[in-house]
Amino acid sequence: GAVVSQHPSRVICKSGTSVKIECRSLDFQATTMFWYRQFPKQSLMLMATSNEGSKATYEQGVEKDKFLINHASLTLSTLTVTSAHPEDSSFYICSARQTGIATNEKLFFGSGTQLSVL
Amino acid sequence: DQQVKQNSPSLSVQEGRISILNCDYTNSMFDYFLWYKKYPAEGPTFLISISSIKDKNEDGRFTVFLNKSAKHLSLHIVPSQPGDSAVYFCAASAKSGNTPLVFGKGTRLSVIA
Repeated sequence: GAVVSQHPSRVICKSGTSVKIECRSLDFQATTMFWYRQFPKQSLMLMATSNEGSKATYEQGVEKDKFLINHASLTLSTLTVTSAHPEDSSFYICSARQTGIATNEKLFFGSGTQLSVL
Repeated sequence: DQQVKQNSPSLSVQEGRISILNCDYTNSMFDYFLWYKKYPAEGPTFLISISSIKDKNEDGRFTVFLNKSAKHLSLHIVPSQPGDSAVYFCAASAKSGNTPLVFGKGTRLSVIA
């Protein structure tokens, strides 16, 4: 099956620093990638939709200047949490939709990144 | 405002028995529903889906039932196996699956040998 690689799997950082999370589709092209956040015992909440070569679309309540998304190629999207604070501590997970296939059945997830901000 | 609800955070079932995982939704625009399975330290993987034009979809041991009038769907696993132990997420989308997914909180299934 299709593989989405997400790195790092776990990161601990000091308050005020920035953290970059990478999401790569290894064996397929992904025009669209999605970034989700999951707090303990909560749902996966969509943060933003990332489209290759264009600006990301953010969900209501998600600060685009704080969560910078770059999708410069068909196989890589990055999420940068800028000036991280303890309340940003969460599980972040990306998913990639195979180019040319519109349905969510061909949506493949990374393994997630657990961010802890001290 | 939880549009997709999985009210049971956990479920324990004996091996060989049926597992029934439930999911309710509130948004009447949802017309495509999916179940994902997630093992620890891995991302969710697609399990089975159902369109709102159907009320049942079966794939091997997995069957999803949809009751549109009740805005309720359920995933049946029979017979349950220890390898089915995982967190199961219900997800929904509108426009026949072409919009971002809305997830429930998940149900942790434990199949006991």
